[in-house]
Amino acid sequence: GIQVEQSPPDLILQEGANSTLRCNFSDSVNNLQWFHQNPWGQLINLFYIPSGTKQNGRLSATTVATERYSLLYISSSQTTDSGVYFCAVMNYGGSQGNLIFGKGTKLSVKP
Amino acid sequence: KAGVTQTPRYLIKTRGQQVTLSCSPISGHRSVSWYQQTPGQGLQFLFEYFSETQRNKGNFPGRFSGRQFSNSRSEMNVSTLELGDSALYLCASSSGRGAYNEQFFGPGTRLTVL
Repeated sequence: GIQVEQSPPDLILQEGANSTLRCNFSDSVNNLQWFHQNPWGQLINLFYIPSGTKQNGRLSATTVATERYSLLYISSSQTTDSGVYFCAVMNYGGSQGNLIFGKGTKLSVKP
Repeated sequence: KAGVTQTPRYLIKTRGQQVTLSCSPISGHRSVSWYQQTPGQGLQFLFEYFSETQRNKGNFPGRFSGRQFSNSRSEMNVSTLELGDSALYLCASSSGRGAYNEQFFGPGTRLTVL
């Protein structure tokens, strides 16, 4: 089945710094989503981005489907950005229509 | 529009018992999927329901089952609980089946098995 790898696994930043999180996947995908898991466990939707570039405030994401990777950019990080960021993909062939998650990037933003 | 709701939020059970978790999708959404999250295995797919039918199932034992009602609400049941079933159970809803529909998650039910 399709494999999803996220890097780095852990990231520590000073408040105000910028960061880039990467998601590599092993097969073509029809759906790619980025989530932020809050301290209570809920997955918050950040982007639905099977291809192209999107921006939402200080966050932006780019998926290059032909090269099988996606990047999540966080600019001017804040302590509230701390948490785990997940990339999840879906395709009919490899995942039978369910989301396959990476192991996540744990981000800690220090004041 | 209200988001995905899950009840209960926290649950403590003992080995051998059974448990039922509930998920109400976003109004108008017809697809509900369930995922299990543990520190060791990460987020893993359990099953998907659409129009009251199970459409897809992950690699979990038969002790894990579910159903969907005509109003799209879904329940999952775990029988004969084991310590390893302790996890965060998340449900997701989407407007339709398949990869072209964004998935939205509920707050989860945290199950502890003693």
